[in-house]
Parts: sequence; structure tokens; C-alpha cells
Amino acid sequence: KQEVTQIPAALSVPEGENLVLNCSFTDSAIYNLQWFRQDPGKGLTSLLLIQSSQREQTSGRLNASLDKSSGRSTLYIAASQPGDSATYLCAVYSGGGADGLTFGKGTHLIIQP
Amino acid sequence: DAGVIQSPRHEVTEMGQEVTLRCKPISGHNSLFWYRQTMMRGLELLIYFNNNVPIDDSGMPEDRFSAKMPNASFSTLKIQPSEPRDSAVYFCASRDAGELFFGEGSRLTVL
Repeated sequence: KQEVTQIPAALSVPEGENLVLNCSFTDSAIYNLQWFRQDPGKGLTSLLLIQSSQREQTSGRLNASLDKSSGRSTLYIAASQPGDSATYLCAVYSGGGADGLTFGKGTHLIIQP
Repeated sequence: DAGVIQSPRHEVTEMGQEVTLRCKPISGHNSLFWYRQTMMRGLELLIYFNNNVPIDDSGMPEDRFSAKMPNASFSTLKIQPSEPRDSAVYFCASRDAGELFFGEGSRLTVL
């Protein structure tokens, strides 16, 4: 059974710093990996989707990488801003329907002004 | 597209009452999911539809929960009778080409 772990559970950094969020998974046979952000009281907003054949995806100040063989993905946030404060979740799709989609518990990020 | 639309956004009800949550997926998406999120348990999958057909409902807590998808643009999640432990945020999501899109959620409080 796929397990997804996100470390750290919480992170607080000063504005302007570059930072990395980590996501690890136990079964490397995945179809894709998706990063989400969730603001308090809101739904999950899709940030980046990486297919299993890809190594990275970029959107603005965000860069997500995928290393299937080691079961790891990282979300890199450049020049962090207070508006980046949110919970970031990764989800791994291993196929086979909905139960093939496994979420991590998220990293709660606070960017200090 | 307006994204996944859920209603109501907030619902407060008394124990024993029937609750109906509604979802309109993104047009063209053929997979629809209902999730429940709580602080203690995180995000839990309740049920999954593909082409309007329920494929996996193993996450539905008990018989008090039921879900329907009468057509490609509408789904409901019903709780009858509701209990205080059902208090949570309920999310609907639809999927296209492997990418999942969530609605804003329905926050349910059962007193």
C-alpha cells in the first residue's frame, strides 16, 4: 500500500528566503504526482502536476521535481512571500482508481513578513 | 470554466437531521470524488464515481451516508441521520487527464 510522507509538518521562515518542501512515497510505480496548496477555510488548489515520465515542472516561483527511483519529490519556492503562507500537500497517483490516489498530511508553511 | 462548485458552503444542523451536500464538477471531467477533511484524520476519500457510476464507496463511513450522481454535471452526498461526529469539511473534486481539481468545500457542523 502506497504511503506518502511530508516533512516537515510545519515550517516558518522569513520573507525572501528560498525554501524546499519534501514529499516521499514508498512505491515508485506511480503515474503522476500533484502538489496542492490549501489556505485556511478553502479548498485545495492545484499547483503543479508531474507525470511519471517527467523530472520537473515549473510555474512562476514554484518548481517541483520528481525522482521516482528514490521515491521523492520536492517543491521549491523561490523568494518566498507572506502570501505563500498556506498548507502544501502532495498526492501520488498509483493507478487503479480512486484508491490509487494517496495524499500526504501536508506541510504548514508560514512566511514571516 | 468556473471550477468545481459546491453548495452549501456552510451548514449547521442538529443531530438527527438530514443533510444534503451538492457538487457540480468541471464540465468534461468524467471522474468525481467526495472527500472529508478533519483535523484529526486529514483528507479521507468517501466515494469515487467514473462516468456517473460509483466505482469505490469503501470509504463511506456507514449506511447513514449515501451518494448519487444522476448525470455528468451533478452529484449529491447525503447524511441521514446526521451525528455530531460527522462535523467536517466535505470536498468534491473532479479529475481530467490525471489532474485533480477541488471545490471550495462544504463545512458541516452537527450540533
